[in-house]
Amino acid sequence: DAGVIQSPRHEVTEMGQEVTLRCKPISGHDYLFWYRQTMMRGLELLIYFNNNVPIDDSGMPEDRFSAKMPNASFSTLKIQPSEPRDSAVYFCASGRIGTSQKHIQYFGAGTRLSVL
Amino acid sequence: AQKITQTQPGMFVQEKEAVTLDCTYDTSDPSYGLFWYKQPSSGEMIFLIYQGSYDQQNATEGRYSLNFQKARKSANLVISASQLGDSAMYFCAMREYSSGAGSYQLTFGKGTKLSVIP
Repeated sequence: DAGVIQSPRHEVTEMGQEVTLRCKPISGHDYLFWYRQTMMRGLELLIYFNNNVPIDDSGMPEDRFSAKMPNASFSTLKIQPSEPRDSAVYFCASGRIGTSQKHIQYFGAGTRLSVL
Repeated sequence: AQKITQTQPGMFVQEKEAVTLDCTYDTSDPSYGLFWYKQPSSGEMIFLIYQGSYDQQNATEGRYSLNFQKARKSANLVISASQLGDSAMYFCAMREYSSGAGSYQLTFGKGTKLSVIP
């Protein structure tokens, strides 16, 4: 089975430009999470969806960030306008509530974003 | 206060030896889960092992085992027979099941960098 697929793997852009990160979750998973990883703050949850509906976006840093999930197989995280402090690795993860309460989150390979 | 504390920024272990990576957690929720993830230099996050707060036995997955001491709020990862491919960052994470909308959130520690020496 294919895992969580993120694109692009690397993105270099200039300050002020719009950036769109993409994620395809594992088929059958009903939860999708966006995380950001930096040296200073570690791994932080930005937002998560359940059945394509945003449930908790309290981690989204500011209005420049937005996330959508138009269907069960696709999500985007958009930054507009981008700033150098947005440089980080952005991870998408997906999970499924089954009979077990484990609810393991499976991560994609991440997108390394550099804003110059 | 930090919810997940990993006190070892870096660890070294000889190949084929066992190593323990420390993790302590802080929660007042009686129902929670503890996870360990591995992040190799390539960057992806790989799930290793899970321990539920009500699980009676310590979790094991192949060469990975979790030394769960509930009263001490610790969930240390033990890797037996270390291999060169085990060199990576290791993250401990917690999910608190009773925290409403946030109950699916994983809170991560800062990580421990493990280096396996041939």
